[in-house]
Amino acid sequence: SQQGEEDPQALSIQEGENATMNCSYKTSINNLQWYRQNSGRGLVHLILIRSNEREKHSGRLRVTLDTSKKSSSLLITASRAADTASYFCATLSTGGFKTIFGAGTRLFVKA
Amino acid sequence: NAGVMQNPRHLVRRRGQEARLRCSPMKGHSHVYWYRQLPEEGLKFMVYLQKENIIDESGMPKERFSAEFPKEGPSILRIQQVVRGDSAAYFCASSPTAEGPPEAFFGQGTRLTVV
Repeated sequence: SQQGEEDPQALSIQEGENATMNCSYKTSINNLQWYRQNSGRGLVHLILIRSNEREKHSGRLRVTLDTSKKSSSLLITASRAADTASYFCATLSTGGFKTIFGAGTRLFVKA
Repeated sequence: NAGVMQNPRHLVRRRGQEARLRCSPMKGHSHVYWYRQLPEEGLKFMVYLQKENIIDESGMPKERFSAEFPKEGPSILRIQQVVRGDSAAYFCASSPTAEGPPEAFFGQGTRLTVV
């Protein structure tokens, strides 16, 4: 099975609200990354958090990592219609070289 | 500095034909990764190559699929005798080190449709 599992699978919110997506993984990791994919497009890297970090910010994005629970969350504050996309977490296992992706959370931001 | 370039962006093949997908890594990158994305799903690892070597092909079907990354030229993912189930988006990523696909170094993907 995939290393990263996101929940919820789909999330629908109003513009201006915050969106929180969660990711759980199974093995020890070197780092965890979040990506965005607009429909029919490629991947856009959002943020990388290393295993020794607990929280990271980038603009309206806030990522947390809890290695004891093997979970991460992505918070998008003050969402916009343009944030509508699928969001994937991806993990690089300790000592590994394959970045494994979850199935993604589909976010719909209604204007 | 051009990013990872994949071509074609869209490819339509009839069942039984061959599909060749190309990936030109970023300049200076010698590690290439291929992923497949089925509709409504995440990306699944297929194969990891370095120049002239396949390092890990554990995610690639044993039959009909092959990959190469020659000393010169792009990496090629080849699918022989395509079937409808091969319809998917195929993404390539490159990195300068062996630490996995770093941020932003993904191609736009090739969308294969088998009719």
